[in-house]
Amino acid sequence: GAGVSQSPRYKVAKRGQDVALRCDPISGHVSLFWYQQALGQGPEFLTYFQNEAQLDKSGLPSDRFFAERPEGSVSTLKIQRTQQEDSAVYLCASSLALGPDGNTIYFGEGSWLTVV
Amino acid sequence: GIQVEQSPPDLILQEGANSTLRCNFSDSVNNLQWFHQNPWGQLINLFYIPSGTKQNGRLSATTVATERYSLLYISSSQTTDSGVYFCAVENSGYSTLTFGKGTMLLVSP
Repeated sequence: GAGVSQSPRYKVAKRGQDVALRCDPISGHVSLFWYQQALGQGPEFLTYFQNEAQLDKSGLPSDRFFAERPEGSVSTLKIQRTQQEDSAVYLCASSLALGPDGNTIYFGEGSWLTVV
Repeated sequence: GIQVEQSPPDLILQEGANSTLRCNFSDSVNNLQWFHQNPWGQLINLFYIPSGTKQNGRLSATTVATERYSLLYISSSQTTDSGVYFCAVENSGYSTLTFGKGTMLLVSP
């Protein structure tokens, strides 16, 4: 597609509910990233995929957070037993990872999660 | 990990004014990007600039890698320039970016 697409754009979850956030990266982009952005802060790294391989998950805040990219394209970020502190915008980004412009990273519009 | 400091934290300008935003970082970097986050939350890539100078219309950026800082220049500012400007750097080899806290810019008509 033309850009990074994320769904849902807005999600309200009750505390304890599981949520799944989807990211459809730019076609052909090898690298895919998930970031978490709290209100008034800069995005913080969660996890990174190169194709289907999850090469870095050091930013995931707890074992309630899980991400996958089984076919090297679409990715899903799953949060189990949501807590109020999980309320944030979850941003997906992708990059080509090849060539002189390969490190330019393109972000989706984000999934705004509110846990009540 | 690498530290990123942006200044000023907030900036209010009259339409037509020029401004300079600064980004200091604590270690050598492989990747440095400037982003504009619009009021709807969309992060738009402005520049990929680990070193040197680039210009795109009214915007330009300079990174002096040896002195560990980058500058974003906005000339003849417009109300649509309002939003938060983030500097983000990477030195891990995976292109995972570390963001500063941003500069919130408000351009009034």
